[in-house]
Amino acid sequence: DTAVSQTPKYLVTQMGNDKSIKCEQNLGHDTMYWYKQDSKKFLKIMFSYNNKELIINETVPNRFSPKSPDKAHLNLHINSLELGDSAVYFCASSQGIKGDTQYFGPGTRLTVL
Amino acid sequence: LAKTTQPISMDSYEGQEVNITCSHNNIATNDYITWYQQFPSQGPRFIIQGYKTKVTNEVASLFIPADRKSSTLSLPRVSLSDTAVYYCLVGSRDDKIIFGKGTRLHILP
Repeated sequence: DTAVSQTPKYLVTQMGNDKSIKCEQNLGHDTMYWYKQDSKKFLKIMFSYNNKELIINETVPNRFSPKSPDKAHLNLHINSLELGDSAVYFCASSQGIKGDTQYFGPGTRLTVL
Repeated sequence: LAKTTQPISMDSYEGQEVNITCSHNNIATNDYITWYQQFPSQGPRFIIQGYKTKVTNEVASLFIPADRKSSTLSLPRVSLSDTAVYYCLVGSRDDKIIFGKGTRLHILP
């Protein structure tokens, strides 16, 4: 059974394009997150939503816009993609907020050419 | 948030017990210690969590001394499939989770 799923798994696109990554969790969790893992393998939190409300918004360019249509989904839309956006993006969820155990998706490898 | 320090990398052999130590000198009273494991091309996976003394589950053991300024993740009888990055995190339920660089564990045949 898939707990946290992301689509697509791979995304290759040109600079300047707009793309979206989708995330869904079937764990009944209240909180969802987006992380970025760059080529140096640092895993950095970008956003967190609790019951569809934004609770964590790190210093991320406003080209990145999360959208949570319901508490089981948290999508990430990226405008005007840049080379530096190339990374693996992980979605995660937890029952509580912030410090609770998080369950991660398989990741989306974004390559910007 | 308590800062954590752990070795950048470790090598071990199949069948050995592996101990990864994490230092967290400024751990706060409400903080607990959590370890995640990340295999290549996968998201991190929760391994174990503890507050003090010893915690054991089917995957690992976590040893925490009385002063809680460090903790040791113990993996019994490792196999090649235990090759992964292991992250030590310290914080309370009110803190956002921050992942450090982790320890890259390489198991050799």
